[in-house]
Amino acid sequence: GAVVSQHPSWVICKSGTSVKIECRSLDFQATTMFWYRQFPKQSLMLMATSNEGSKATYEQGVEKDKFLINHASLTLSTLTVTSAHPEDSSFYICSALPGLAGDNEQFFGPGTRLTVL
Amino acid sequence: KNQVEQSPQSLIILEGKNCTLQCNYTVSPFSNLRWYKQDTGRGPVSLTIMTFSENTKSNGRYTATLDADTKQSSLHITASQLSDSASYICVVTRSNDYKLSFGAGTTVTVRA
Repeated sequence: GAVVSQHPSWVICKSGTSVKIECRSLDFQATTMFWYRQFPKQSLMLMATSNEGSKATYEQGVEKDKFLINHASLTLSTLTVTSAHPEDSSFYICSALPGLAGDNEQFFGPGTRLTVL
Repeated sequence: KNQVEQSPQSLIILEGKNCTLQCNYTVSPFSNLRWYKQDTGRGPVSLTIMTFSENTKSNGRYTATLDADTKQSSLHITASQLSDSASYICVVTRSNDYKLSFGAGTTVTVRA
């Protein structure tokens, strides 16, 4: 089956620093990847849609200058949390959509736990 | 508003027992409905997918139903095992933009 990996699986950083999270589709090419954030006991919330070779589309209320997304290849998207603050502590999950968008399944990564001290 | 409501919020069952989780949605236009299992600290994994014309779909001990007229779905877990302890999330896809609407999930705890 389609496998999506994330790195790192967890990270602890000091307030004000930047953190980069990688999302890779291991056995398929993904023209579209998605970044979600999930707070404890809450649903996944879509942050942005990332298309290979173009700018990401951010959901309302998500600061594009704070959450930098780069989708430089068909198998890699990165999310950089810039100048992280404790309120950015959350579980970040990416997903990847094989091929063309349609009713294809999004395959989710294992998530990255970010803790900002 | 495109919403997905799940109930109960959490439940505890004894190993070997059955349970049923509910999902009501208002998402429109409808493309498909998936149930995902999310273990603690992990990403969601798809269990079943149903389109408008499908009423039931099974995956091992998991059986999902869909009533597209009433916009209700259920997930039935048969003969629960300790490894079934997880959050089960109902996700509905819109057919116009293929965005996903997530329910808040039902946390299932299976005890020996």
